[in-house]
Amino acid sequence: KQEVTQIPAALSVPEGENLVLNCSFTDSAIYNLQWFRQDPGKGLTSLLLIQSSQREQTSGRLNASLDKSSGRSTLYIAASQPGDSATYLCAADDYKLSFGAGTTVTVRA
Amino acid sequence: DTGVSQNPRHKITKRGQNVTFRCDPISEHNRLYWYRQTLGQGPEFLTYFQNEAQLEKSRLLSDRFSAERPKGSFSTLEIQRTEQGDSAMYLCASSHVGFEQYFGPGTRLTVT
Repeated sequence: KQEVTQIPAALSVPEGENLVLNCSFTDSAIYNLQWFRQDPGKGLTSLLLIQSSQREQTSGRLNASLDKSSGRSTLYIAASQPGDSATYLCAADDYKLSFGAGTTVTVRA
Repeated sequence: DTGVSQNPRHKITKRGQNVTFRCDPISEHNRLYWYRQTLGQGPEFLTYFQNEAQLEKSRLLSDRFSAERPKGSFSTLEIQRTEQGDSAMYLCASSHVGFEQYFGPGTRLTVT
């Protein structure tokens, strides 16, 4: 059974600082690794999908890396803004998604 | 395309009652998934369909839960004889096979 762990569970940074969110998974036989954002009481918004053959994926200020052999992915958010405050979830995709518990980010103005 | 939609958005029911939720996926997506999320946790997989075929059910999906996707379009998730432990956010997602999953806004169920 796929187990996904996210560290840290919570993070508070001043505006402008770069964010580093870590995700580890136990079974490397995945198709994709997907990162999501979730605002309180809302559904999930897809941020980035990294296919298993890729090492990284970028979208604007977001960059995600994938090291499938070691079972790790990292999400980098550059120059954080208060609007980036949310919970970030990673999910390992072996046709169904297995999620971590998330990292709750607070960006202080 | 307006994305994945779910109805109702909120449902409050008394223990022992039956409830049904609906999910309308992105129209061209052939896969549809149901997940359940409790407070402070990531979503947990419940079941998924490829077109109208239900291909897998999690052990979390007890006999009180049933899901359908008639004609490979919208899907319904029914919970019979609800229990307080069923209180959660129920999330639906859709995708093409092997591609990004897109989630709906969820249905929040409260069982009193």
